[in-house]
Amino acid sequence: GAGVSQSPSNKVTEKGKDVELRCDPISGHTALYWYRQSLGQGLEFLIYFQGNSAPDKSGLPSDRFSAERTGGSVSTLTIQRTQQEDSAVYLCASSLSRRREETWYEQYFGPGTRLTVT
Amino acid sequence: RKEVEQDPGPFNVPEGATVAFNCTYSNSASQSFFWYRQDCRKEPKLLMSVYSSGNEDGRFTAQLNRASQYISLLIRDSKLSDSATYLCVVKGRGSTLGRLYFGRGTQLTVWP
Repeated sequence: GAGVSQSPSNKVTEKGKDVELRCDPISGHTALYWYRQSLGQGLEFLIYFQGNSAPDKSGLPSDRFSAERTGGSVSTLTIQRTQQEDSAVYLCASSLSRRREETWYEQYFGPGTRLTVT
Repeated sequence: RKEVEQDPGPFNVPEGATVAFNCTYSNSASQSFFWYRQDCRKEPKLLMSVYSSGNEDGRFTAQLNRASQYISLLIRDSKLSDSATYLCVVKGRGSTLGRLYFGRGTQLTVWP
């Protein structure tokens, strides 16, 4: 079946502009995660949506970053007033876990959006 | 201190070699551990979970030492197709339940 999809695959933007990154999770997956991977760095957790619960936003690096998940499916990560240090690959993942405690479900990753801020 | 620290590598080994990667984690309450594989410019994919008693999947063996907060991955009889970056991953606990904490990854190149 279809995996996690993300769009756009690449985005080049000028410093100071806003960008929106989209994630379509696997159908039926109730948990959705955003991570980012900078060059030479490990994956960094950003935000986690679990069903109808309040999202865990504690990984967002600044108030320029926000994310929402509409109808429990598609998610959008928005970065306002982009800075050069925001350049990274933004990865979305989803899993079948229905509650935070269900930690045994695998997280499936999308191909990522490569963001370059010039 | 980072949640997960990993051997930086890179490791360059010939086909057929045995290679081992190590990783340490900082949260002693962690309960779930994984190795992910990431090919160049691709997304991470789960390679295997790591169980307390150690586990094997074909040529791959994962070990966990809770006392030392240490995880390892052993690859036997390396193949060219094993060339990738291997990510040590620990799942969060308590207030961070559900998150994955990733090491920076260890790059492996298997040469003919």
